[in-house]
Amino acid sequence: DGGITQSPKYLFRKEGQNVTLSCEQNLNHDAMYWYRQDPGQGLRLIYYSQIVNDFQKGDIAEGYSVSREKKESFPLTVTSAQKNPTAFYLCASSPGTSSYEQYFGPGTRLTVT
Amino acid sequence: ILNVEQSPQSLHVQEGDSTNFTCSFPSSNFYALHWYRWETAKSPEALFVMTLNGDEKKKGRISATLNTKEGYSYLYIKGSQPEDSATYLCASSGGATNKLIFGTGTLLAVQP
Repeated sequence: DGGITQSPKYLFRKEGQNVTLSCEQNLNHDAMYWYRQDPGQGLRLIYYSQIVNDFQKGDIAEGYSVSREKKESFPLTVTSAQKNPTAFYLCASSPGTSSYEQYFGPGTRLTVT
Repeated sequence: ILNVEQSPQSLHVQEGDSTNFTCSFPSSNFYALHWYRWETAKSPEALFVMTLNGDEKKKGRISATLNTKEGYSYLYIKGSQPEDSATYLCASSGGATNKLIFGTGTLLAVQP
């Protein structure tokens, strides 16, 4: 089955710890994205990658880091510098940039206490 | 940052009613307008991507129109069914990087 997987579905961490969220796709898509959802707000772009070994900051990149060493993988690290890390995180991919629709994973809900 | 706004915030209709939602976006520097359906406990699913002024797209009972000059898009659902219950998101991109700015969504509940 082609698609995007995110793991785990729920993640709990103590404040001050870095945590890495997994995103894998087997759609052979070039572009991948990370979004964050908070109550009452639209999805906000954290980071995106248009091609392997390249990525750019989105609108709310502070406190996050990513890597894109393989086409199918785009892990997101939430660092201790992120002031409000508790949120729902969605990963997406698209065949390229331009006006392609994006395909979303099931999301990871991160709770930091 | 572009501002994308959706209205209404939520909508409750009876099965069989037709309904529509609005998405407004800055018309300057427009590249593409996306509509997604997000059902509870599932991933957002793409409905339409539109780029040209006057674009109209249709998928079954759902259709969408685009006015890039005035900066709005309408999503129509004809004869709503309970399975149409979901949050409908629109998003605008201002360039070829496909960086999307999302609205907060319209939550549709269809009562049988």
